[in-house]
Amino acid sequence: DAGVIQSPRHEVTEMGQEVTLRCKPISGHDYLFWYRQTMMRGLELLIYFNNNVPIDDSGMPEDRFSAKMPNASFSTLKIQPSEPRDSAVYFCASSITGGHPYNEQFFGPGTRLTVL
Amino acid sequence: GNSVTQMEGPVTLSEEAFLTINCTYTATGYPSLFWYVQYPGEGLQLLLKATKADDKGSNKGFEATYRKETTSFHLEKGSVQVSDSAVYFCALSVRAAGNKLTFGGGTRVLVKP
Repeated sequence: DAGVIQSPRHEVTEMGQEVTLRCKPISGHDYLFWYRQTMMRGLELLIYFNNNVPIDDSGMPEDRFSAKMPNASFSTLKIQPSEPRDSAVYFCASSITGGHPYNEQFFGPGTRLTVL
Repeated sequence: GNSVTQMEGPVTLSEEAFLTINCTYTATGYPSLFWYVQYPGEGLQLLLKATKADDKGSNKGFEATYRKETTSFHLEKGSVQVSDSAVYFCALSVRAAGNKLTFGGGTRVLVKP
């Protein structure tokens, strides 16, 4: 079975440019999570969706960040304009309702973003 | 609210040494507890889990016991290998939060030959 798919795996861009990260969750999963990982701040939950609807976006750092989930098999995280402090590894994860009490999340391989 | 506290790393060990990573939690409601592992250059993956008090989760030689009285879920392995070098995350979930996980800060483990 295919796991969570993220693209691109690596992205290098210049400050001020728009960046779009993409995620395809595991088929049949109805929860999707976006995380950011840095050495300084560790693993942070940015936003998560249930049935394509954003449930909690309190972790989104500022208005430059936006996330969408137009259908059950695709989500994007956009940064516009990007800044050097956005450099991090961004993970997407998915899980399925009814998985409780396990609630296992399946993580993608991550996108390493570098903003110069 | 919900929170997870785990020991800071890095933890450096020699091969075949005993590993313990402490994890304590606070939760509203009755949590399920997890350990996730992140190998270099990869995403997190579930290592083991426990869903009620006194449950013991185990996988790949790792064990952790759900201790409700001490609100702890310490991870142990009796004899580590170089391949166990990774970052380990303790996490919890509660039913009221749906499928959201609350993660600890992660503990980096380095095993030297």
